[in-house]
Amino acid sequence: LAKTTQPISMDSYEGQEVNITCSHNNIATNDYITWYQQFPSQGPRFIIQGYKTKVTNEVASLFIPADRKSSTLSLPRVSLSDTAVYYCLVVTNAGKSTFGDGTTLTVKP
Amino acid sequence: SAVISQKPSRDICQRGTSLTIQCQVDSQVTMMFWYRQQPGQSLTLIATANQGSEATYESGFVIDKFPISRPNLTFSTLTVSNLSPEDSSIYLCSVEREQGDEQYFGPGTRLTVT
Repeated sequence: LAKTTQPISMDSYEGQEVNITCSHNNIATNDYITWYQQFPSQGPRFIIQGYKTKVTNEVASLFIPADRKSSTLSLPRVSLSDTAVYYCLVVTNAGKSTFGDGTTLTVKP
Repeated sequence: SAVISQKPSRDICQRGTSLTIQCQVDSQVTMMFWYRQQPGQSLTLIATANQGSEATYESGFVIDKFPISRPNLTFSTLTVSNLSPEDSSIYLCSVEREQGDEQYFGPGTRLTVT
């Protein structure tokens, strides 16, 4: 399983765009990238998933360069309620994945 | 999406006893998993619960300590046996509708061992 590396923490202000980058140098050809969000005392919640280039949904965008050794989760115009831990996972085609240490995002007023 | 409930939501147990945690999904799913999350830390996969057969355990986790059942496609139990204070943690159930799909997580069970 490919190991992921993320910044331990990030600070931002309301209304800003936040970009969280994850490194996954050992990603295999058939692996894909998934991001989860976790609030205190709750289970993680799926945000977005992608294989290459760019994926966008109603809450975030995911940018994956051609070599796929990293990915960037982009959260547009964050609010206080986006304060959470964000996890980057590499998922194999057999469905196996490992949670890394996550990035604690703190959004300030 | 999938709606997942876990029982109990929290419990305080004495060392040497066991706790069984139930995970119920509102629809049939292919994959069910059990995770452990210690305070302030990330999630660690304990095992994959296989319907009708023995669970598949990750390195460092054994069946004698964490017996798992999965009698059908909507229900699973995790037992944490012979409890010690080091077992104090949050235990989470997750599911995938189909293998490789996004995972949906339950609310977790907070276990405290005294």
